Amino acid sequence: GEEVAQTPKHLVRGEGQKAKLYCAPIKGHSYVFWYQQVLKNEFKFLISFQNENVFDETGMPKERFSAKCLPNSPCSLEIQATKLEDSAVYFCASSQSQGGQPQHFGDGTRLSIL
Amino acid sequence: AQSVSQHNHHVILSEAASLELGCNYSYGGTVNLFWYVQYPGQHLQLLLKYFSGDPLVKGIKGFEAEFIKSKFSFNLRKPSVQWSDTAEYFCAVNAASGTYKYIFGTGTRLKVLA
Repeated sequence: GEEVAQTPKHLVRGEGQKAKLYCAPIKGHSYVFWYQQVLKNEFKFLISFQNENVFDETGMPKERFSAKCLPNSPCSLEIQATKLEDSAVYFCASSQSQGGQPQHFGDGTRLSIL
Repeated sequence: AQSVSQHNHHVILSEAASLELGCNYSYGGTVNLFWYVQYPGQHLQLLLKYFSGDPLVKGIKGFEAEFIKSKFSFNLRKPSVQWSDTAEYFCAVNAASGTYKYIFGTGTRLKVLA
């Protein structure tokens, strides 16, 4: 498609439960990025993929967070044993190729941990 | 450390006023620079980008930005704002070569009074 599609729009989980977020990048885009936005304005880079390969995972918390981009499937970001501090909006973005092409963002998934 | 600073957190203007939003970055090496806008309830949209060449770049909706390398700045401007420009504006930087993850500023919330 022509837009980055993120599902679900909202996700509510109790502390300790698992949360799984999905992202379908724009068709033909090779790169997928995940960002976490806390406090409504501060974006934190989590992880990026080049096709199905992890490209940069320097922002991923070592524990509890994992992500995948498998062929012919939406990319996913999974958080095990969620904590209150995981409450945030998670944005996915995709871009065409190397060279710093602009990233196109999805609408985000608002994750609320109760 | 890599960082992007947006010094104006909240800006209130009347319609037809001129706008300038500051963006300064600290980043080793050659960078690409971007401005995004986030209208209420919507995803980030690209306003303009700078990769190389003419340091004055024009974007959509009448926005422009000037890259001043000596000042590590990429300020966003618009000669005459409209009520519909009310939104949050984010400056972002990534490396021209590398992993292309964005470093975002903390955003500037613009309110335009009709």
